[in-house]
Amino acid sequence: NAGVTQTPKFRILKIGQSMTLQCTQDMNHNYMYWYRQDPGMGLKLIYYSVGAGITDKGEVPNGYNVSRSTTEDFPLRLELAAPSQTSVYFCASTEDSFISGANVLTFGAGSRLTVL
Amino acid sequence: KNEVEQSPQNLTAQEGEFITINCSYSVGISALHWLQQHPGGGIVSLFMLSSGKKKHGRLIATINIQEKHSSLHITASHPRDSAVYICAVGTYGGSQGNLIFGKGTKLSVKP
Repeated sequence: NAGVTQTPKFRILKIGQSMTLQCTQDMNHNYMYWYRQDPGMGLKLIYYSVGAGITDKGEVPNGYNVSRSTTEDFPLRLELAAPSQTSVYFCASTEDSFISGANVLTFGAGSRLTVL
Repeated sequence: KNEVEQSPQNLTAQEGEFITINCSYSVGISALHWLQQHPGGGIVSLFMLSSGKKKHGRLIATINIQEKHSSLHITASHPRDSAVYICAVGTYGGSQGNLIFGKGTKLSVKP
């Protein structure tokens, strides 16, 4: 089982460049999430989606965009990269019937992004 | 004050020791999660609980809703248990899907 697959694992960007972090899950989960993890801090929610065609902002959405054209894919777009976006990014998904955090999360392996 | 506090931040143990990691929270929750982040960075879910106690192998998680406190215990610790352990809570308020994460407890088990 592949679970949640993220690419790339590592990327270095120059300030002002753009890129897309890819996330694919093969578990038919409706709910998908993007988190960022900064050193010494807890994970923060960037964007989430409750199904194809539906996305919403999380706690730290500025500088990012998402789309959800299929159940499987939930790419995260960084426009005009800034050093503050240097972080490790995690994609995750949960089963249907999400009730305010009462479903087990399945995480991708993470993508380490450095903006110089 | 953070809504989810973990203690200790760092923990070093000798192989075979009994380990306890604590998590306190200040909000009403629907569920509490314990996650393990491997040295390579990957995150796996260990437990999700809303009451009582759960056990999986050498890992035991307990929660006391009245005291807003949870503990993760590792019996007969092993160097392969070395990882960061993260507590996260799901809440009824706020944006759907948002878990509040603790900063993690870094465990190192020496042989």
